Amino acid sequence: KNEVEQSPQNLTAQEGEFITINCSYSVGISALHWLQQHPGGGIVSLFMLSSGKKKHGRLIATINIQEKHSSLHITASHPRDSAVYICAVRSVEETSGSRLTFGEGTQLTVNP
Amino acid sequence: DAGVTQSPTHLIKTRGQQVTLRCSPKSGHDTVSWYQQALGQGPQFIFQYYEEEERQRGNFPDRFSGHQFPNYSSELNVNALLLGDSALYLCASSLWGGAEAFFGQGTRLTVV
Repeated sequence: KNEVEQSPQNLTAQEGEFITINCSYSVGISALHWLQQHPGGGIVSLFMLSSGKKKHGRLIATINIQEKHSSLHITASHPRDSAVYICAVRSVEETSGSRLTFGEGTQLTVNP
Repeated sequence: DAGVTQSPTHLIKTRGQQVTLRCSPKSGHDTVSWYQQALGQGPQFIFQYYEEEERQRGNFPDRFSGHQFPNYSSELNVNALLLGDSALYLCASSLWGGAEAFFGQGTRLTVV
């Protein structure tokens, strides 16, 4: 079992729909990242969370430390949101380094 | 302020050859981590450099080696290339001990 599990693996939505991507992890963490990867590869950091909730534009990320679970929500989805969304965690044992463990990603396609 | 830059962006090599990939971290960052991302999978940690030393290493063979220079830039070297080494190689920069990481656009390596 992977330390970081994402669901769903693939998600197709119609423009305007509310989207939720889930991430569960099995280790104690000091931080959780939500990342976006477009075709071609480059990764953009969307959020870094250690507790609670963060919002940026139409994106909202939440984390429940006790349940070891995080969600990424996209409101009023748009075709330009189509990308791979990846969850990554920094283990609480990483006292000095900044090594991340990644989920396998969720491929989101938003159709017009 | 330049972010993380990687070179080259694409590379085609023949089995058995050697390859060197380069990464310049974000200004002010002192730690460089390298990740391998096979098609359809999440990135896997290769190793991390700080103060010109390899500080952590993932489950990769000795064919994968690296270096960090006094200006914090880093190289990833892969010897005796195998077809299975074909992947996107991502560089991430951070501050030592910091949770926040910034990613480059990646180098797409194809081994034929």
